[in-house]
Amino acid sequence: SQQGEEDPQALSIQEGENATMNCSYKTSINNLQWYRQNSGRGLVHLILIRSNEREKHSGRLRVTLDTSKKSSSLLITASRAADTASYFCATVPIAGTASKLTFGTGTRLQVTL
Amino acid sequence: EPEVTQTPSHQVTQMGQEVILRCVPISNHLYFYWYRQILGQKVEFLVSFYNNEISEKSEIFDDQFSVERPDGSNFTLKIRSTKLEDSAMYFCASNQETQYFGPGTRLLVL
Repeated sequence: SQQGEEDPQALSIQEGENATMNCSYKTSINNLQWYRQNSGRGLVHLILIRSNEREKHSGRLRVTLDTSKKSSSLLITASRAADTASYFCATVPIAGTASKLTFGTGTRLQVTL
Repeated sequence: EPEVTQTPSHQVTQMGQEVILRCVPISNHLYFYWYRQILGQKVEFLVSFYNNEISEKSEIFDDQFSVERPDGSNFTLKIRSTKLEDSAMYFCASNQETQYFGPGTRLLVL
């Protein structure tokens, strides 16, 4: 698999349900970040988790990181129609925080009323 | 809240023409980046820039591409002779641990 692969590729849920997206990566990282992209628009930074952190929360978002499995998950609780977007994980290599981001393939989330 | 801006939002050009994509990074950031996203695909790194020079570039960033910081605020990506496969969304980003992305320029090469 490529560095930064998300699953599922697509997820459809109803408003109010929780959405869980997973990301796997191959090389050692300094940190992992999650971004959201509405169709045809820019990338919005959601949350950053460092390699020495295991879990982080921000509002309705919960991110976990398991460096032994080289995987991360993004949980969106009580989803809303406005959460409909593509979600990408992106890793920063262990070389440093200013290094390039390597993006995953993304999960397309559809939240229906 | 400070943000990265990009111009133009859309650009249509003929194959073989030169294009310049412009970005204004967040003012106190020191690292700048260009990425691109071909329609339906993932975001790919092109180049990073620090202290007025390229710090890293990908295989995509060949001799047709160049970057410049012509003044204290702008950061540009030039594609010298565009090809059909250069059609993509181009994102600029600037960094202070977190990379903040601009809204992108959608480039269409005909």
